[in-house]
Amino acid sequence: NAGVMQNPRHLVRRRGQEARLRCSPVKGHSHVYWYRQLPEEGLKFMVYLQKENIIDESGMPKERFSAEFPKEGPSILRIQQVVRGDSAAYFCASSLSSYNEQFFGPGTRLTVL
Amino acid sequence: AQKITQTQPGMFVQEKEAVTLDCTYDTSDPSYGLFWYKQPSSGEMIFLIYQGSYDQQNATEGRYSLNFQKARKSANLVISASQLGDSAMYFCAMREPRYNFNKFYFGSGTKLNVKP
Repeated sequence: NAGVMQNPRHLVRRRGQEARLRCSPVKGHSHVYWYRQLPEEGLKFMVYLQKENIIDESGMPKERFSAEFPKEGPSILRIQQVVRGDSAAYFCASSLSSYNEQFFGPGTRLTVL
Repeated sequence: AQKITQTQPGMFVQEKEAVTLDCTYDTSDPSYGLFWYKQPSSGEMIFLIYQGSYDQQNATEGRYSLNFQKARKSANLVISASQLGDSAMYFCAMREPRYNFNKFYFGSGTKLNVKP
């Protein structure tokens, strides 16, 4: 099964620590999207990346959050100095092209203590 | 304005009966797509059904059908013959083209409980 993989599935961090979330897209997909789902809410778009490029980051908080999708390896969503309000499920999706269907990963559940 | 509105935070349905989950959307773009996803308690997002804005027929996938009323901008999900395993959160989503990619907007979800 070559679906979207995310790890870890669950991540616990204390306030002030860093969180790194990884996403391996479907094999052959070079377009990756990150979404955040706060408790009791729907998914909200954060950022869209192609290999080595951030295309649209209109949904990313301006501070502490960054994303990358290097030429080799998974896409990384990095949250520095986490706060309790960062506790959420973070979903990654990938697509073959910018206009093809997006396939979602299982999500990473971040809990900030 | 909200792009996707789901007005039913929670719904109950008796096993084997049909249920309709409401979804309205807001867009001025003529080309868009509408999706429904199921999110069980395990958390993954499971794709259920898709309707394109130019599709003439309502989409159907097994027990799922999408009641697409374009003029009213509604895309309700109908689940026929509900099963206990249908108990989950259901999200309506819209894919809208931007200048360089398709952006997804999700509603706040409806929690469906199927009673035995």
